[in-house]
Amino acid sequence: DTAVSQTPKYLVTQMGNDKSIKCEQNLGHDTMYWYKQDSKKFLKIMFSYNNKELIINETVPNRFSPKSPDKAHLNLHINSLELGDSAVYFCASSQRGGGRQETQYFGPGTRLLVL
Amino acid sequence: ILNVEQSPQSLHVQEGDSTNFTCSFPSSNFYALHWYRWETAKSPEALFVMTLNGDEKKKGRISATLNTKEGYSYLYIKGSQPEDSATYLCAFIRSYGGATNKLIFGTGTLLAVQP
Repeated sequence: DTAVSQTPKYLVTQMGNDKSIKCEQNLGHDTMYWYKQDSKKFLKIMFSYNNKELIINETVPNRFSPKSPDKAHLNLHINSLELGDSAVYFCASSQRGGGRQETQYFGPGTRLLVL
Repeated sequence: ILNVEQSPQSLHVQEGDSTNFTCSFPSSNFYALHWYRWETAKSPEALFVMTLNGDEKKKGRISATLNTKEGYSYLYIKGSQPEDSATYLCAFIRSYGGATNKLIFGTGTLLAVQP
């Protein structure tokens, strides 16, 4: 069983389109994240939700809107896609209350290519 | 701006060699340091979470040390094997009264172990 899963794995789309990436975790965690791996291979946090509430919101264009229908799901919707949005997007989850030992578990990534 | 730097960027070793690499991070307001192992086309997997100055952690042939006063952590691999080939990422969490689950990643050290 995959602990953190993302769909789709690959997404090729045209500039200006709207698309969504879905993430689901079956670990029973209460916190989920979206990261973007940029062209220099940096993993940068975009958003984090705890119990469906937004707790981290980095400087991300407001074309990106996360939605957490429940603790096990965190979806990422992107409006008006731009060429610079091409990247690999990773979802992760963790259980808060683990104190300093809190570990994040990552999904396999979604490779987005905007043409 | 918080910088997490890793060196070297890449490393090529022969099977059986022992190796080590460095993660440098800001020493003020330290909360935790994570090490991840990231194989190509897979998700990052947690290796260690380190929280106390002087911490040493070990998992098989891989071990890590932590110096929070000077802001660095070393990762050691004893007797490298081809299956150790991966990118090793460190991620820093700073305690600032905000979201203590915000990982700030370095760019990683790419290790290639040749048989």
